[in-house]
Order: sequence, then structure tokens, then C-alpha cells
Amino acid sequence: NAGVTQTPKFRILKIGQSMTLQCTQDMNHNYMYWYRQDPGMGLKLIYYSVGAGITDKGEVPNGYNVSRSTTEDFPLRLELAAPSQTSVYFCASSPNVGSGAQETQYFGPGTRLLVL
Amino acid sequence: GQQVMQIPQYQHVQEGEDFTTYCNSSTTLSNIQWYKQRPGGHPVFLIQLVKSGEVKKQKRLTFQFGEAKKNSSLHITATQTTDVGTYFCAGRGSGNEKLTFGTGTRLTIIP
Repeated sequence: NAGVTQTPKFRILKIGQSMTLQCTQDMNHNYMYWYRQDPGMGLKLIYYSVGAGITDKGEVPNGYNVSRSTTEDFPLRLELAAPSQTSVYFCASSPNVGSGAQETQYFGPGTRLLVL
Repeated sequence: GQQVMQIPQYQHVQEGEDFTTYCNSSTTLSNIQWYKQRPGGHPVFLIQLVKSGEVKKQKRLTFQFGEAKKNSSLHITATQTTDVGTYFCAGRGSGNEKLTFGTGTRLTIIP
């Protein structure tokens, strides 16, 4: 298993440009998440999904959109990039949530985004 | 909303010294998880605690969940250079599908 993969690894955007960050997992996990991590800071949840066709906002959703058409893929779309979106973006997946289940979140390697 | 705070923010220790980071939630948690992130890397799951007062050990690491299920700690005995990184706790509230990550404690080791 490759686990959680993300592309690209690094990208520079100009203000106002748009892009899609790709995330794929091959573990058949229902739950998927997008986080951003600013330098020296913790993780903030952008969007999450509990299964194909279902998405919901996290703590910092403004300026982003997601879709979940398949179990495997959970792309994150940035429209009209702004310098405040300069960050490292992590995608994660989890097999179970709640009811005392083991809830390990598996993280991808991250995408470093610089908006100039 | 739920908030999870960690202290200290930074910790510098001599190799061989012990290290502890503390995690406090504003609300009661159904479980708490701990992750480690090496410099330039991604978070990696360490452990999950579910029961009130639970204590779990992984070699030199000891994890504890408070009786009220609102706080937790991670203690590392006799630190090694491989322990360098940022340690995050992450708490899940009851009936909540989202984890709230703590602010993290960055550990550096002085050889």
C-alpha cells in the first residue's frame, strides 16, 4: 500500500491564480481530511469527508473547496489564491471514527504552497 | 468551539534528560491521540487513549489520560536525539467527527 499520496510536493502561485491539490489513499478509508499548517504552528482543519459524496467544513474553510466523488480521492481546490494561503497542506485519512474504534489518522507527505 | 492547548510550546533538553508535554481541552473528550512530526515531515500517529485515567507505555514514552478526560500528558524518559520533533495531542469531543489538534510542543535535544 502506498498509503496517502499528495501531489504536487511544492508549488508557487501568483495572487489570483487557482489550483487543485490532489490527495489519494489506497486503504479504503471512509474518512478523509485536509489540514493546513502555517510555519511553527499546529494543524487547522479545512474540510473533511465521512464518505464518498459527503463533505463538510472544518475550522478554516474560506477560500477553499473540496469534492469527494470516490472513496480514494479528496482533492482540495484553491480559487483566487492569496498570500494568506501560503502554508503546508496535509491530507489525512482514517478508517474509523467513534464508538471506541482505533482512529489513527494517516497523513500524506504534504504540499508546500507559496503564494506571491 | 472546542479548544486544545499544549504546554510548553518549546522545550530544549540535554540528551538523557526527561521531557513532558501537557495537553488541556476546554471540553470533555471521547478520546485523545498523540502524534509526532519530525522537522520537515508529516504527523505520525503514536497512540490513542480512550478511558478515564488510562496510562499506556511505548518503550521510553508514557501517555496518560486524565480522570476527567479533559487533559493528557506525554512523558519521555532519557531523551535521545531521535526524539527530536514536534509532539501534538489531538482530541475528539463526544459525537464529533473532527479532531482538534493542540498547538504542539517542539522538542530539541542538546547532544
